[in-house]
Amino acid sequence: EVQLVQSGAEVKKPGESLRISCKGSGYSFTTYWISWVRQMPGKGLEWMGRIDPSDSYTTYSPSFQGHVTISTDKSISTAYVQWSSLKASDTAMYYCARYSNTGWFDPWGQGTLVTVSS
Amino acid sequence: QSVLTQPPSVSAAPGQKVTISCSGSSSNIGNNYVSWYQQLPGTAPKLLIYDNNKRPSGIPDRFSGSKSGTSATLGITGLQTGDEADYYCGTWDSSLSAHWVFGGGTKLTVL
Repeated sequence: EVQLVQSGAEVKKPGESLRISCKGSGYSFTTYWISWVRQMPGKGLEWMGRIDPSDSYTTYSPSFQGHVTISTDKSISTAYVQWSSLKASDTAMYYCARYSNTGWFDPWGQGTLVTVSS
Repeated sequence: QSVLTQPPSVSAAPGQKVTISCSGSSSNIGNNYVSWYQQLPGTAPKLLIYDNNKRPSGIPDRFSGSKSGTSATLGITGLQTGDEADYYCGTWDSSLSAHWVFGGGTKLTVL
């Protein structure tokens, strides 16, 4: 079974750093890109960016460029998104999803809730 | 504000049919495949339709997709209470820097 399993919920203070993860299994991890998607409380889906695990080539949404860093460790089939200095406005659910070459996301991880509060 | 425009909400009775529209432009829907996602309350999104009108394995044929020009439509027939969810369209946008875009989402209520 193809699945993506994300790391657990995080509670952080403003200014702290954070890295959350997404581990793929059941398929060749380097064959498909991984994307990250943000969902703020009560809001819609926002695409953050994608990474090609085979060579770590990364593309970001203009809205997230410079605010997050997406990376991968193909040796353990895991993708990451990290923040160097969190803000309260980063409070959201974050999903990873496998991206197909023709343009769709499947499957999705279960989501990681990030809460940033002083 | 999303680049892709969806109605905020739609509603219909059990057993009826509903359509959800997704309007874009030539830089996104007009020149790229559209996919649709269902997000049941408290769960991760799930792929419903890909490549405009294809259904993944396990998705019932009550769900259908179509595209015409710069708009796409999701259709759901034989509505069930379990279909109550948020629905999102998505596609690539090639304006300025290429990036993926989602519609704002449509909440389906089955009355």
